[in-house]
Amino acid sequence: LAKTTQPISMDSYEGQEVNITCSHNNIATNDYITWYQQFPSQGPRFIIQGYKTKVTNEVASLFIPADRKSSTLSLPRVSLSDTAVYYCLVGNTDKLIFGTGTRLQVFP
Amino acid sequence: DGGITQSPKYLFRKEGQNVTLSCEQNLNHDAMYWYRQDPGQGLRLIYYSQIVNDFQKGDIAEGYSVSREKKESFPLTVTSAQKNPTAFYLCASRDRGSIYQPQHFGDGTRLSIL
Repeated sequence: LAKTTQPISMDSYEGQEVNITCSHNNIATNDYITWYQQFPSQGPRFIIQGYKTKVTNEVASLFIPADRKSSTLSLPRVSLSDTAVYYCLVGNTDKLIFGTGTRLQVFP
Repeated sequence: DGGITQSPKYLFRKEGQNVTLSCEQNLNHDAMYWYRQDPGQGLRLIYYSQIVNDFQKGDIAEGYSVSREKKESFPLTVTSAQKNPTAFYLCASRDRGSIYQPQHFGDGTRLSIL
């Protein structure tokens, strides 16, 4: 199972773009990269998933370089409500490894 | 509304008691999962089920049991053998189609010991 490394915490201000990078050096050929957001006392919420290059949806973008050994979640113009823990996961099976995630704090 | 429903939201257990946490999904997903989350930590997999009447142990199955008699239901029993059951329990489900699909989570049950 591929292990991921993310920053423990990040701070930002409202209206800024936030980029959270995840390192996954031993990603396997068939693995997908998935990001979740979790608020206190709630279940993780799916944000975005990708395999290669760039994926964009209504809330975020995911950038994946050609070697796929890292990925960057980009949150445009964050607001206070984006304060949460963000998890990066890598895999393609039922068994995924959740690390401790990145705690994003957004200030007014 | 399609989704995953966990109940109850809060649960208290006395020493020596078994308790059962409910998880129901109406997403028609084949696979279902149970995770445990301790304060400040990530999620750890307890059990998962890929199809009805089949389930597999995760990383921390000791002291827990599950059943999967119906596609939409995957209850978790925390037995008296689980010595440190206080935690936040999360249920998830996933479509096991040809393209890898992400897991979707319920809002959890917080279990505490009286």
